[in-house]
Amino acid sequence: NAGVTQTPKFQVLKTGQSMTLQCAQDMNHNSMYWYRQDPGMGLRLIYYSASEGTTDKGEVPNGYNVSRLNKREFSLRLESAAPSQTSVYFCASSFTGTDDSPLHFGNGTRLTVT
Amino acid sequence: QKEVEQDPGPLSVPEGAIVSLNCTYSNSAFQYFMWYRQYSRKGPELLMYTYSSGNKEDGRFTAQVDKSSKYISLFIRDSQPSDSATYLCAIGRNNQGGKLIFGQGTELSVKP
Repeated sequence: NAGVTQTPKFQVLKTGQSMTLQCAQDMNHNSMYWYRQDPGMGLRLIYYSASEGTTDKGEVPNGYNVSRLNKREFSLRLESAAPSQTSVYFCASSFTGTDDSPLHFGNGTRLTVT
Repeated sequence: QKEVEQDPGPLSVPEGAIVSLNCTYSNSAFQYFMWYRQYSRKGPELLMYTYSSGNKEDGRFTAQVDKSSKYISLFIRDSQPSDSATYLCAIGRNNQGGKLIFGQGTELSVKP
């Protein structure tokens, strides 16, 4: 049982380059999320998708776009990478997106922008 | 002021010690409280979840919530080297659909 799978695991970009982080879950969850984790800042929500076909901004959406491709897949795109986007990115999913539905996380993509 | 504050540590204890990890939060609108454990190079995993003030036990772990003081704690009894990880508190509001606010995380090391 794979759970939440993120690709790639590591990436180095130059300033201004673009890339897409991929996330897929096999738990038939309805809601999916993208968080970034920075030292001293904890996890901060970038975007989320409550259900297939919907997306909404989180706390730190600037510089990012998302696509909920289908129920399983939720991608995060950096159109023009900046050094401030150096971070560890986590995708998560939950069954219903309600209060009692815990988040299941992938193992992260470690992104460095030079 | 951050909505949730957590001492980042690091915290180092000998095996068998009782560990206390703490968070404070600023808004009484938060209604449910979670603790996640994150091993190095891994994603966070849910450890404990509670709605109400008081204590909730699960094996060696006890989550404590004091809504009047806006203070949450995680106690680990008989700590083991395998408990070495970063512990993150997370808080949420009703009807906010999984949009949790996370603390900064406390890095714990349990020495054999």
